[in-house]
Amino acid sequence: NAGVTQTPKFQVLKTGQSMTLQCAQDMNHEYMSWYRQDPGMGLRLIHYSVGAGITDQGEVPNGYNVSRSTTEDFPLRLLSAAPSQTSVYFCATSGRTGELFFGEGSRLTVL
Amino acid sequence: GENVEQHPSTLSVQEGDSAVIKCTYSDSASNYFPWYKQELGKGPQLIIDIRSNVGEKKDQRIAVTLNKTAKHFSLHITETQPEDSAVYFCAASTGDDKIIFGKGTRLHILP
Repeated sequence: NAGVTQTPKFQVLKTGQSMTLQCAQDMNHEYMSWYRQDPGMGLRLIHYSVGAGITDQGEVPNGYNVSRSTTEDFPLRLLSAAPSQTSVYFCATSGRTGELFFGEGSRLTVL
Repeated sequence: GENVEQHPSTLSVQEGDSAVIKCTYSDSASNYFPWYKQELGKGPQLIIDIRSNVGEKKDQRIAVTLNKTAKHFSLHITETQPEDSAVYFCAASTGDDKIIFGKGTRLHILP
């Protein structure tokens, strides 16, 4: 089992470009979430989903869209990238215990 | 919404000594308090967690204490070893499935 798979691992964008960070899980977890990690800021919740067809905003949702059409996938979309979105992005899933299982992260640079 | 404060941001301890990291939370409805360890280049991993009906939990060299009245919880690592060097995050879970993290503590174990 792969667990939580994020792609791409690295990406460089120009301001105004759009892109999608992919997250796939094979753990059959209902809960999925996206965090961004910035130096000195810890992990901040962007969006989360408690099941297919359901999404909700976290602490810092502006500039990001998500959808959850299947249990396995939870893509994060940047419609018009800004330098402030330069960060490391983590996808995480959770089952009944509440433990979060993180992917290895996607490092995004916006020039 | 929930706010989690974590201190200190950096901690250096001599190998074999104990390390203590403290967190406070704001939402009295929070009932789940996990601690995560993040090694360089990897996603965070759960090391221990505690729920609001328990005051203390221990797992070998790691222990967590919770004071619901004061809304604070702490991570204690005894007999520290070089492999304990990492970034540690506390988190609190609100009633709406959000898991909010503190800003992290970088722990250095000195030889």
